[in-house]
Amino acid sequence: GAVVSQHPSRVICKSGTSVKIECRSLDFQATTMFWYRQFPKQSLMLMATSNEGSKATYEQGVEKDKFLINHASLTLSTLTVTSAHPEDSSFYICSARDSRGSDEQFFGPGTRLTVL
Amino acid sequence: DAKTTQPPSMDCAEGRAANLPCNHSTISGNEYVYWYRQIHSQGPQYIIHGLKNNETNEMASLIITEDRKSSTLILPHATLRDTAVYYCIVSTYGGSQGNLIFGKGTKLSVKP
Repeated sequence: GAVVSQHPSRVICKSGTSVKIECRSLDFQATTMFWYRQFPKQSLMLMATSNEGSKATYEQGVEKDKFLINHASLTLSTLTVTSAHPEDSSFYICSARDSRGSDEQFFGPGTRLTVL
Repeated sequence: DAKTTQPPSMDCAEGRAANLPCNHSTISGNEYVYWYRQIHSQGPQYIIHGLKNNETNEMASLIITEDRKSSTLILPHATLRDTAVYYCIVSTYGGSQGNLIFGKGTKLSVKP
């Protein structure tokens, strides 16, 4: 299957700093990528839909000014958590849709964010 | 909210078939049934999907009832590495009209 990578896999930062997480589709082009968040013992919650070359669409309750999404190319989307606080500590997962083929979504391995 | 209902947990003996049920009584005609699984601290992994016919691939089989209101994922010979949370999701093809909405899933524990 298609491969989606995320970088970094794990990050620890101080409260008030910003953290950027990258999501890449390695062997396919993705006009649409999705960002999810998962708290311990809970399911994945969709945060936003990222479309190449246009603004992201955020789910209700997700602050767009806090979670900045950039999808500048067909293989890369970035999520920046600005002014991170301990309550932002979570597992962030991206997925990418193969726009040329079956239109299925492929998930990245996730990024564990810990804010001290 | 997720459109599916799954048991919160199930156990299965190693080497035996694992049958994971899912209810999706409000599924609409253009929605597929998708199954993903998530092994601890990893991203979800696609398993299989179907519309109305039964499907089989190298990982599993998907049995969808004739009225499409429920389905069963079958892992024919479960191994310890199949221990994971299994999510049943209904969505238009590829989530093309939005996204995949994850419910709570079923935590499958495969025991030796």
